[in-house]
Amino acid sequence: EAQVTQNPRYLITVTGKKLTVTCSQNMNHEYMSWYRQDPGLGLRQIYYSMNVEVTDKGDVPEGYKVSRKEKRNFPLILESPSPNQTSLYFCASSLDPGGKGQPQHFGDGTRLSIL
Amino acid sequence: GESVGLHLPTLSVQEGDNSIINCAYSNSASDYFIWYKQESGKGPQFIIDIRSNMDKRQGQRVTVLLNKTVKHLSLQIAATQPGDSAVYFCAGGSNYKLTFGKGTLLTVNP
Repeated sequence: EAQVTQNPRYLITVTGKKLTVTCSQNMNHEYMSWYRQDPGLGLRQIYYSMNVEVTDKGDVPEGYKVSRKEKRNFPLILESPSPNQTSLYFCASSLDPGGKGQPQHFGDGTRLSIL
Repeated sequence: GESVGLHLPTLSVQEGDNSIINCAYSNSASDYFIWYKQESGKGPQFIIDIRSNMDKRQGQRVTVLLNKTVKHLSLQIAATQPGDSAVYFCAGGSNYKLTFGKGTLLTVNP
């Protein structure tokens, strides 16, 4: 089954404790992206990757890091989480959205609470 | 940057009626627009897309209309069913970036 898998689905942690949210897709997609979803603000793009070793900032990259060492994986790293990063996070992948409008496939989300 | 917004935060319809969800955008440079459906506890799910050089596209029970003159697009759902109850997002895309609107909650009454 074609899917985007995020782990963990839920996490409660404390300020300053480094954490990583993993994302994996099995569709051989080149493009992957991270979003956060907050009430009243909708989905906002954090980082995206057009291919292995190619990443770029989205609209709200501050406080986040990403890496794309393999095509299927795109982890989101919070080096020193803060309470304002409490949110619902989504990973997505696409065959090629740039200029072709290929739809993105989303994971089921990771709910992070930073105390 | 682009901003994409929605006219109404909620929409309530009767089962079997047609639903129309509207969206306004500000960036004329978007190459394409996508409608997503998000059910509770799940990620957004692709419904239909439309390229900026088109003004209408139809899918199964859904139609998207794009009016570039007034920077407006809409999603029409025919014969709305209880399973259509969800939050609907429009999104505009260009240069590998996707900007989402804030969403409209569609409630279908039996």
